[in-house]
Amino acid sequence: TQLLEQSPQFLSIQEGENLTVYCNSSSVFSSLQWYRQEPGEGPVLLVTVVTGGEVKKLKRLTFQFGDARKDSSLHITAAQTGDTGLYLCAGARNYGQNFVFGPGTRLSVLP
Amino acid sequence: KAGVTQTPRYLIKTRGQQVTLSCSPISGHRSVSWYQQTPGQGLQFLFEYFSETQRNKGNFPGRFSGRQFSNSRSEMNVSTLELGDSALYLCASSVDRRGGETQYFGPGTRLLVL
Repeated sequence: TQLLEQSPQFLSIQEGENLTVYCNSSSVFSSLQWYRQEPGEGPVLLVTVVTGGEVKKLKRLTFQFGDARKDSSLHITAAQTGDTGLYLCAGARNYGQNFVFGPGTRLSVLP
Repeated sequence: KAGVTQTPRYLIKTRGQQVTLSCSPISGHRSVSWYQQTPGQGLQFLFEYFSETQRNKGNFPGRFSGRQFSNSRSEMNVSTLELGDSALYLCASSVDRRGGETQYFGPGTRLLVL
């Protein structure tokens, strides 16, 4: 059983559409991170959220940490082909502990 | 600043052999963590080294080992390879991961065990 679940597992959309992917757990996390991984590369950190209810924006990407710090969402506005990749969430239950990764959402943005 | 480098990028081995993978962290980074990534299990933590000492270890058998040198470069070794060890092995470096610093991942070494 995964500590972190991500949905959907796969998502294929047209350029210009909006989308939301989710990261859920029954555990509380002190911090949660989102990464994007492109083929042949390692994951690249997009954001770290630490406060329940926190919302962070990175250009067209909006990240939200749930009030109870058990879940998070990533919303992409007007998706571009460059957004294609594997989106991973990772949570640490206590400060300084290892981050546990979810299985990822594989996003494909078609031109 | 050069990123995290991993060598080799691709490797093919047969069952029973052993393999050593290398990771050079970003200059000034003292923490190096290793992860295994497979389609079925996702990204799983192997171990972390800080200042030449293993600071944390994941739930992997003793066939997986690692070390860190005084220049912070790290190696991981897998002995008696099994088919299930086929995976992308990633290393990540940070100034000090426990301090909450960002981890920077290398491109990975893709290992295929036949």
